Amino acid sequence: GAVVSQHPSWVICKSGTSVKIECRSLDFQATTMFWYRQFPKQSLMLMATSNEGSKATYEQGVEKDKFLINHASLTLSTLTVTSAHPEDSSFYICSTYSTSGRANTDTQYFGPGTRLTVL
Amino acid sequence: GDSVTQMEGPVTLSEEAFLTINCTYTATGYPSLFWYVQYPGEGLQLLLKATKADDKGSNKGFEATYRKETTSFHLEKGSVQVSDSAVYFCALSVQAGTALIFGKGTTLSVSS
Repeated sequence: GAVVSQHPSWVICKSGTSVKIECRSLDFQATTMFWYRQFPKQSLMLMATSNEGSKATYEQGVEKDKFLINHASLTLSTLTVTSAHPEDSSFYICSTYSTSGRANTDTQYFGPGTRLTVL
Repeated sequence: GDSVTQMEGPVTLSEEAFLTINCTYTATGYPSLFWYVQYPGEGLQLLLKATKADDKGSNKGFEATYRKETTSFHLEKGSVQVSDSAVYFCALSVQAGTALIFGKGTTLSVSS
């Protein structure tokens, strides 16, 4: 089936540093990618919608200057957590629909997630 | 606003038991409904879906029927296996190509 990859799968960083998370669609093009955040034993909360070639759309309450999103190509979106603090520790998940290629355009495909721990 | 409510877990069952995980939704219009499964250490995988009222989604022995009159999409399986142990998420989409709205997830633990 269609595959969405994320890198890294886990990262530990010091408070105040920035961390970049990559989300790639491996065998299809994705005009739009979604970034979610999942707290332990809780649901996935949409953070932002990333559109190729344009600015991301952030959900209410999500700081766009803290969570920088770049969608420079049809297969890659990046989320950068700037000046990370312990409260940013979470599980970050990306997803997308296919707009071309082999994947089913009616289905949303999820990456495996990135576990961020800020010390 | 649009939302999904699913039963609190964890749900603990013995192998071959019957499973029901309740899910209800609130949405304007006619959403599509989904069940996703997250196995330990893995990403979310689509388990089944239904796009209109009275549709039944099914996969790997799991079933769920889109009930508009009760705004529900309960997940059922007649005989669970240890390998079904995972977290199950009910979700809806109000428009094709948009982000999903998730319930809080229900952890299922099946013992042999």
